Amino acid sequence: KAGVTQTPRYLIKTRGQQVTLSCSPISGHRSVSWYQQTPGQGLQFLFEYFSETQRNKGNFPGRFSGRQFSNSRSEMNVSTLELGDSALYLCASSLVGQRSSGANVLTFGAGSRLTVL
Amino acid sequence: GDSVTQMEGPVTLSEEAFLTINCTYTATGYPSLFWYVQYPGEGLQLLLKATKADDKGSNKGFEATYRKETTSFHLEKGSVQVSDSAVYFCALSDRGGSQGNLIFGKGTKLSVKP
Repeated sequence: KAGVTQTPRYLIKTRGQQVTLSCSPISGHRSVSWYQQTPGQGLQFLFEYFSETQRNKGNFPGRFSGRQFSNSRSEMNVSTLELGDSALYLCASSLVGQRSSGANVLTFGAGSRLTVL
Repeated sequence: GDSVTQMEGPVTLSEEAFLTINCTYTATGYPSLFWYVQYPGEGLQLLLKATKADDKGSNKGFEATYRKETTSFHLEKGSVQVSDSAVYFCALSDRGGSQGNLIFGKGTKLSVKP
């Protein structure tokens, strides 16, 4: 079956612009999470969506936002881009089991590499 | 808060050498533990996982044992191949927290020379 698809794979923006990234999860997966990966900070959690609702949010400014649609596809938006927003943005989807199981496995997409000039 | 610490790389080994990548964690609850691998230009792939103390995760010759007493989850492989060259991430998932919120270590880059 198809994996997690992220578009676009690469993009270049200038400071002050905004960007929208898209993520299509594995069919049947209802949870989508977003991560930012940079050489300095590593992998940092941005937010998680389930059934069109944001369930959890990482420690990022309000310029970072997201949403999930009824078909589980998700988008994230970054407004007023800064140089420091240059990163690989990873989307991951998962089947959502009982919270107590603790063994939820995330399947990651290949990422969208954003360069801010 | 919860955190993961893994050995810094890069690690360079010759083919067929033994691999150990150390990972320790700090968590208030009883987390699940994971190793993910990232090949150049790709996203992360789950390598193995363990959900409770003394569990051993294994896959593709890699192994890691959940050691609660030492809060560790070290990754090992007896004989590495050139194709194992990648970045390896240790991660934890707090059972009481969001299912989609994994806490990752900084990653360890492994290079295997023929």
